[in-house]
Amino acid sequence: KAGVTQTPRYLIKTRGQQVTLSCSPISGHRSVSWYQQTPGQGLQFLFEYFSETQRNKGNFPGRFSGRQFSNSRSEMNVSTLELGDSALYLCASSLDVTGQPQHFGDGTRLSIL
Amino acid sequence: DAKTTQPPSMDCAEGRAANLPCNHSTISGNEYVYWYRQIHSQGPQYIIHGLKNNETNEMASLIITEDRKSSTLILPHATLRDTAVYYCIVRVFLVQGGKLIFGQGTELSVKP
Repeated sequence: KAGVTQTPRYLIKTRGQQVTLSCSPISGHRSVSWYQQTPGQGLQFLFEYFSETQRNKGNFPGRFSGRQFSNSRSEMNVSTLELGDSALYLCASSLDVTGQPQHFGDGTRLSIL
Repeated sequence: DAKTTQPPSMDCAEGRAANLPCNHSTISGNEYVYWYRQIHSQGPQYIIHGLKNNETNEMASLIITEDRKSSTLILPHATLRDTAVYYCIVRVFLVQGGKLIFGQGTELSVKP
């Protein structure tokens, strides 16, 4: 069974631009979560979607948003990019929201110039 | 904030058992202990989880103390490919949903 797929793997943007990252969960998984990983802050939770609804949200500004489609695929968007948004963005999927283990993709490496 | 405490780094000889400790003294009765690891340039990989009983799967064993305030992840025969950062996480089913709160983890180096 294919794992979690994130595209693109690498992305370079400049300050002020916006970016959209994509995540395809494992087949049959209906919950998708997003995390940001930086050397200084480590892995931090961004948000979780289930059945096209945001269920949990981390402590990030409103520039960070996401959505989930009816096929469980998810996208996250970051607007007005700042240098501090440079990070590895990770997507994880699980069967549902009852605590089944999450399985992660290998992330999108976003660099802001 | 993370609810777990782990040593920042550990070494282990190849072929020997790696025992990674985790302290979670404030764990609540309905919180599970999860272990993930992250190999450089990859996403975290799920290893194992448990509530109060010891658990074993094809990757590792999880030993949880009777008072549930600490646990140990055991890799029975460590290989060089087990070199990674290991994260111990406590998580509540249902209420927290998919939210995992990662600490700094333990960097395990397996040496020949």
